[in-house]
Amino acid sequence: GAGVSQTPSNKVTEKGKYVELRCDPISGHTALYWYRQSLGQGPEFLIYFQGTGAADDSGLPNDRFFAVRPEGSVSTLKIQRTERGDSAMYLCASSPRPADTEAFFGQGTRLTVV
Amino acid sequence: KQEVTQIPAALSVPEGENLVLNCSFTDSAIYNLQWFRQDPGKGLTSLLLIQSSQREQTSGRLNASLDKSSGRSTLYIAASQPGDSATYLCAASTGNQFYFGTGTSLTVIP
Repeated sequence: GAGVSQTPSNKVTEKGKYVELRCDPISGHTALYWYRQSLGQGPEFLIYFQGTGAADDSGLPNDRFFAVRPEGSVSTLKIQRTERGDSAMYLCASSPRPADTEAFFGQGTRLTVV
Repeated sequence: KQEVTQIPAALSVPEGENLVLNCSFTDSAIYNLQWFRQDPGKGLTSLLLIQSSQREQTSGRLNASLDKSSGRSTLYIAASQPGDSATYLCAASTGNQFYFGTGTSLTVIP
């Protein structure tokens, strides 16, 4: 596709439910990142994939958060037993290769836990 | 851990003014520094990428500079327009992740 695509754009869920957020990176980009942004704050790192493997998951806040990228393209961020504090904008980015290339972000998924 | 700070947090200028946004980072061992624009409720749009070996990059009315040794980057916007109103974020890449500042909220008054 032309850019990074994230679906859904908005998600409202009840406390305790399970949610999945999807990211379609730019075709051919091997590096994929997930970030979380709270209102008025800068994005905070969650996880980085190089190909199919999670090269750095040090930003995942706890074991309720998990992400996969089984074929090295589309990635899914999974949140179990959602809490109100999980409400935020979830951003995905991709780049042709890690570290020294430009990162392109999607439009984000606004998650609201009620 | 890399800490990124952006000053000022908010800025309001009349249309046509030139302005400078500041970004500082604590760890000079970066691969690159990237400037982004974010409109309310939207994702991030990449503006400029400066590699660690470069001093500056230009795109249209935007010019970004990088001084690794002092841990600073600036984004210069010439002849500001109301359409430039947005939040501007800088991000320092140290390999596996980008470290973001909290942004500068810019308002250009017509």
